[in-house]
Amino acid sequence: GQNIDQPTEMTATEGAIVQINCTYQTSGFNGLFWYQQHAGEAPTFLSYNVLDGLEEKGRFSSFLSRSKGYSYLLLKELQMKDSASYLCAGMDSNYQLIWGAGTKLIIKP
Amino acid sequence: DSGVTQTPKHLITATGQRVTLRCSPRSGDLSVYWYQQSLDQGLQFLIQYYNGEERAKGNILERFSAQQFPDLHSELNLSSLELGDSALYFCASNARGQGGADTQYFGPGTRLTVL
Repeated sequence: GQNIDQPTEMTATEGAIVQINCTYQTSGFNGLFWYQQHAGEAPTFLSYNVLDGLEEKGRFSSFLSRSKGYSYLLLKELQMKDSASYLCAGMDSNYQLIWGAGTKLIIKP
Repeated sequence: DSGVTQTPKHLITATGQRVTLRCSPRSGDLSVYWYQQSLDQGLQFLIQYYNGEERAKGNILERFSAQQFPDLHSELNLSSLELGDSALYFCASNARGQGGADTQYFGPGTRLTVL
């Protein structure tokens, strides 16, 4: 079956770095997406990885290892506004997204 | 602003009733996706339309149906509503529905409350 696993909740301190892990099992693979979702709001696109390696976008970076079925989202210089849920989604061979349940990130001052 | 619009923003209704949620995709996008998100839960994929045709189906109940019109807007119909149908309903769109990876852009959602 197809499955996406990510931690339910993480806590970090303002100004620090946090890494949110995601493991995936999909029927075929056409990339891995990360979205940010603030409570009660729409998910917003953060990153897309289809090749192995690290993609950096400002304070956010995303990593992919296809051989390990593993990705992570790295958030640096955490700000209070980064408190949100982070959704990992793998794209299968039919270009359908398989969504994880999301990781709720709590930032403490 | 993603460019995807959804109406209404909020909807309160009673059990047993029927409602229609509306979505307009970003200009140029052919695919529309519908999702349900219950409180503190993950996104549940319901259904996808591509250029007017049903493309993929997820965990959509038989009481729910959707369609995409020639102008590419889509409607999600929910009938015989139950308390458990209370949730945020999101619509997303992208340019491709097949043959390519493309980012989905989400509308602001419709919050449905069934009393």
